[in-house]
Amino acid sequence: TAGITQAPTSQILAAGRSMTLRCTQDMRHNAMYWYRQDLGLGLRLIHYSNTAGTTGKGEVPDGYSVSRANTDDFPLTLASAVPSQTSVYFCASRGHSNTGELFFGEGSRLTVL
Amino acid sequence: AQSVTQPDIHITVSEGASLELRCNYSYGATPYLFWYVQSPGQGLQLLLKYFSGDTLVQGIKGFEAEFKRSQSSFNLRKPSVQWSDAAEYFCAVGAVGGGGSNYKLTFGKGTLLTVNP
Repeated sequence: TAGITQAPTSQILAAGRSMTLRCTQDMRHNAMYWYRQDLGLGLRLIHYSNTAGTTGKGEVPDGYSVSRANTDDFPLTLASAVPSQTSVYFCASRGHSNTGELFFGEGSRLTVL
Repeated sequence: AQSVTQPDIHITVSEGASLELRCNYSYGATPYLFWYVQSPGQGLQLLLKYFSGDTLVQGIKGFEAEFKRSQSSFNLRKPSVQWSDAAEYFCAVGAVGGGGSNYKLTFGKGTLLTVNP
């Protein structure tokens, strides 16, 4: 099973350019999340979506936007990238059980120069 | 809002030695608790989870964790570490936020485990 697919795996981007990180899941999970991982800071929540058509802000939302047009896709957009957005980005979804665990993609490494 | 503290940034143990990784959380009620492991360049893999019932939970790869409500802790243990256990370990707490509908998973900053042969 594919689970969560993220693309691209890695990207180098010039500052000021826009970029969309793609995330697709095939598990029909309602809730989805975007985290960024930085050395020494762990994973921090950027945006989330409880269900298709709704989104919410996490801990570090500035400079990022998301949309949730359908259950499967949850893209993350950087409208005008800055070097501080250099990070590894993880998409995740929450399972149907009541145990609260998240399932993660393999990550997208973004470097902004 | 919930928070997680992993006091140890980096731990080094010898292969075959026992291991305990510490995790303390802050939340007003009993949260969902998790340990994830991340190998270099990889995504996060769930080791184990606690949400109710027996406070000692068993996970994959021989790991276990014990929920202690009085200490707000959820420490991860393994009796005999293998070289392949070298990775970064993240403790996480899951809880519903304001309004009762926004479930979020909050992570600690991680503990890097090095295993010496």
